[in-house]
Amino acid sequence: DQQVKQNSPSLSVQEGRISILNCDYTNSMFDYFLWYKKYPAEGPTFLISISSIKDKNEDGRFTVFLNKSAKHLSLHIVPSQPGDSAVYFCAADTGRRALTFGSGTRLQVQP
Amino acid sequence: KAGVTQTPRYLIKTRGQQVTLSCSPISGHRSVSWYQQTPGQGLQFLFEYFSETQRNKGNFPGRFSGRQFSNSRSEMNVSTLELGDSALYLCASSPGSGRSETQYFGPGTRLLVL
Repeated sequence: DQQVKQNSPSLSVQEGRISILNCDYTNSMFDYFLWYKKYPAEGPTFLISISSIKDKNEDGRFTVFLNKSAKHLSLHIVPSQPGDSAVYFCAADTGRRALTFGSGTRLQVQP
Repeated sequence: KAGVTQTPRYLIKTRGQQVTLSCSPISGHRSVSWYQQTPGQGLQFLFEYFSETQRNKGNFPGRFSGRQFSNSRSEMNVSTLELGDSALYLCASSPGSGRSETQYFGPGTRLLVL
């Protein structure tokens, strides 16, 4: 049973526009959520996180929104840049430092 | 601050052998978690160590084990390797004392089992 789902395997966006990546979860015990960016054969790079007591967190071009009632989070990247092209994973934690990852969304930013 | 380091970066083994992977966490971090990434199963949690003790364990067979040393460095061992153990093995570190902590990942060890 997939507890964290990223239903869009891929997303293509024009440079300068907004990229919106979505993630759904089923386990109500998750209380900390993270987004990572990953290139093939490399480790994930941390982007941004949000605690379940918040509904929004911003860091530069990256904003994460959390809708607890819908068990949904999203990552907004504005403006998108070609260097943002990578696979993005959302991850969730119950406080045990045992992250549950989604299957990833491949973002392609077209120049 | 130096990031998480993992050695070796690449490894080729044959079925039935065993392998040991090493991870050095960010200085000051006392928690080390291990993950396996495969094309079929994605990123999956193996186990987490803190203060030389395994605190949490994922759903992997006993062939997968680990340990942590007093300097927080950690090793992961896989015995009796199977073809399906071919994967990217990642370790991540965090301070370890808080509830909601960001884990920072190393570059991974790519293991190929022939």
